[in-house]
Amino acid sequence: AQSVTQLGSHVSVSEGALVLLRCNYSSSVPPYLFWYVQYPNQGLQLLLKYTTGATLVKGINGFEAEFKKSETSFHLTKPSAHMSDAAEYFCAVSGNFNKFYFGSGTKLNVKP
Amino acid sequence: EAGVVQSPRYKIIEKKQPVAFWCNPISGHNTLYWYLQNLGQGPELLIRYENEEAVDDSQLPKDRFSAERLKGVDSTLKIQPAELGDSAVYLCASSYVPTDTQYFGPGTRLTVL
Repeated sequence: AQSVTQLGSHVSVSEGALVLLRCNYSSSVPPYLFWYVQYPNQGLQLLLKYTTGATLVKGINGFEAEFKKSETSFHLTKPSAHMSDAAEYFCAVSGNFNKFYFGSGTKLNVKP
Repeated sequence: EAGVVQSPRYKIIEKKQPVAFWCNPISGHNTLYWYLQNLGQGPELLIRYENEEAVDDSQLPKDRFSAERLKGVDSTLKIQPAELGDSAVYLCASSYVPTDTQYFGPGTRLTVL
């Protein structure tokens, strides 16, 4: 079975500051991990995914995430926040691509 | 390339009424998903189709929910009768194959009064 925990339902950063959104997962099999972004009244859009290989994954809009097996984490980072990054972010895990388990989401607020 | 299309975008109904949601996936995508997203929560899978076959409907409340994907293209999700607790956003997603990226539609926001 798989599950995801996202720490912090709301995160607020200043424009230009580091963005760090936390995700911890539980999986009984080697996990595939994903980050999605959801803008108001829109569907989810894939930011990045980890399947195999390099543990540091780069995605769109300057985001990246690092798979740390020992910590069962897949935190999302961006060096410098932009106003347009304000949205809700979801971490997801899948064991075999047959079923995806999403976290409860983190709303990112970017202050000018 | 057109994205996943869902209609209606918003629906308000009285409890005990029926309601239906429609989804047209990206052309050529064989896998189609219906998700339920409650306020403040992440999406939860209701049903997954491979072409016209429902390969995972274990989370679909079959006493009131039904779905179909005739001809393996567009899909309809139905609730009959609707209950107050069904108020949520219903998301449709599609992918070429299960291991490929899922593309989500904008969702249908259902309000049951």
